[in-house]
Formats: sequence, C-alpha cells, structure tokens
Amino acid sequence: DAKTTQPTSMDCAEGRAANLPCNHSTISGNEYVYWYRQIHSQGPQYIIHGLKNNETNEMASLIITEDRKSSTLILPHATLRDTAVYYCIVRVGNQAGTALIFGKGTTLSVSS
Amino acid sequence: DAGVIQSPRHEVTEMGQEVTLRCKPISGHDYLFWYRQTMMRGLELLIYFNNNVPIDDSGMPEDRFSAKMPNASFSTLKIQPSEPRDSAVYFCASSLAGGQVEQYFGPGTRLTVT
Repeated sequence: DAKTTQPTSMDCAEGRAANLPCNHSTISGNEYVYWYRQIHSQGPQYIIHGLKNNETNEMASLIITEDRKSSTLILPHATLRDTAVYYCIVRVGNQAGTALIFGKGTTLSVSS
Repeated sequence: DAGVIQSPRHEVTEMGQEVTLRCKPISGHDYLFWYRQTMMRGLELLIYFNNNVPIDDSGMPEDRFSAKMPNASFSTLKIQPSEPRDSAVYFCASSLAGGQVEQYFGPGTRLTVT
C-alpha cells in the first residue's frame, strides 16, 4: 500500500470547517483513499472513502485532486465531539479483507 | 446491531500468566481482524480470518500469541505466557467480503501485564 503523509496536529474552532490534508503521491490507479478516526479510548471509526471522484456522506466530504496525489477530508461544521486522531489510509480497493495500515494520523483539536 | 463486542474491556495480569481476549464480530461479516495499539508502534495488524480460517498471521509477534476462530461468531486471542511488553490495547474488527467496505472496530481490551 502507498504511504501517506499527514500533519501531526491541527486546531479548529467549533462550528468552523475542519480541512485535514493528506499526501499520497505514490498512489496507484487501483488504490482507494480511506479515512478513519479514533476518538480517545475508542476503536477506530470509518468516515469515508473514494477513488477519484469527490465523495460526501453524513459525516464528511472527501476531495481528491485530479492527479490523485493528495486529498482533503472536510468536516463542514466541527464540534467538540470531532476531537480525535484522523487517519488517511490508501489501499487497493478490491483486495478483500486486507488489513488497514495505520500511520501516525492527524490529531484534530476542536475548541469552543 | 450491537457492533463488534470485546471482552474483557480491561485486564490486569501478572507476568507469566495466560491471558485470553474475546471477540464477537458483527453477524454476517466474513472477515475478522485482531489489531494491537501501543504508543510506540501505533495500530498494527496481528492476524485476520476469512470465514473462520486464518489468512495472514505474519503480524503475530511470537509463539506466545495464538488466535482461534471456532465459529463465525467468536474469536479468541491468547497470550501464554504474558510479558510486560504485551501491555497494549487490543482491538478486534470485522468486515463483509469485498475490499471496498469499511472495517468495524470493537471498543478494545486494555491489557496491563505487571
């Protein structure tokens, strides 16, 4: 799986949009971008994933650049409960059952 | 659905003792994963099963670790004998067949070996 690079930490004011970047310059054509987050003392939680088109669900939006070398996870209206470590993971989409390879992630701190 | 269930949530044991961690995956899921999380190494895969069969155990640190999945609704991770360096949070996760779908994680078992 391709390696990803994320900032170590970010701050965001409550109610504002949180934009979390991820670089994956060596991504292959059949690899998807996944985002998970881990709230303190809990197991990781799936957020969203995409291949090349922008994706949106009830939790977040995922913007993938046209060359697919980077992406941004957007939490449109961050709340205190969004404080967590956010992991950007790249893996082959059709590899059934493969493990997720977690890096260090970005610690997002949302404050009032 | 209750999600992935793990027990116990916390375990404190003395070095040399046997430890058994338990996991009940989400009903209908074909894959089950065991991960370990430490401050030093982060989240790392130990082993995973497909339809109750171990597929990849290359992440199991040594022979002291063993995992079984006797049926589709139950898996165990055993450490015998336990050592202080095994102290970590152990997560179980499950997913449906197909690589695009997400993995659902349990709440984890915090293991402390003194």
